[in-house]
Amino acid sequence: GDSVTQMEGPVTLSEEACLTINCTYTATGYPSLFWYVQYPGEGLQLLLKATKADDKGSNKGFEATYRKETTSFHLEKGSVQVSDSAVYFCALSVVAGNYQLIWGAGTKLIIKP
Amino acid sequence: GAGVSQSPSNKVTEKGKDVELRCDPISGHTALYWYRQSLGQGLEFLIYFQGNSAPDKSGLPSDRFSAERTGGSVSTLTIQRTQQEDSAVYLCASSLQAGLSYEQYFGPGTRLTVT
Repeated sequence: GDSVTQMEGPVTLSEEACLTINCTYTATGYPSLFWYVQYPGEGLQLLLKATKADDKGSNKGFEATYRKETTSFHLEKGSVQVSDSAVYFCALSVVAGNYQLIWGAGTKLIIKP
Repeated sequence: GAGVSQSPSNKVTEKGKDVELRCDPISGHTALYWYRQSLGQGLEFLIYFQGNSAPDKSGLPSDRFSAERTGGSVSTLTIQRTQQEDSAVYLCASSLQAGLSYEQYFGPGTRLTVT
């Protein structure tokens, strides 16, 4: 079945460090790929998405590129801030699944000043 | 405008009791999804509504779980004879339509604790 695997956390970085959170997927058909973020005490929010191969999603300085050949959608940011501390979820959806989201386990990111 | 709201925000219940969780989607959103977030299982899909019908119930973990949606709006997730493994945060999301171009907006969740 369809699945998402993302790197386990927590990931602890200093402010202004570079960030990569790895995400790979297994899917039949052609999924759309998403990164959601959950800030402490808040609900899930869409961070960025990509709907076809080679698309790059970007938002708030974060980027991720849909790589079909490596079935990956790694999240990157060049310079993280304390306010980026949150749990990040990689997810996919497919037409055959009524567009339900299939989730990775989540990666907790801690940024220290 | 108003986002997705869920009630109650927290619910503590005794094992064996029934509980009802409510979701008010964004007005005009035809697609509604329930998910569950638990420590052991992560985030998992439960059920999908398009309008008032539920074409996909494949994620409901047992027949103790049921859900309905009335008037194409409010949805209720009911868990009968609750068990400790039902303890989790139950999340509701809505989107304008079901489709890759339509973002799912999430509510704050209901934290269910079964004692």
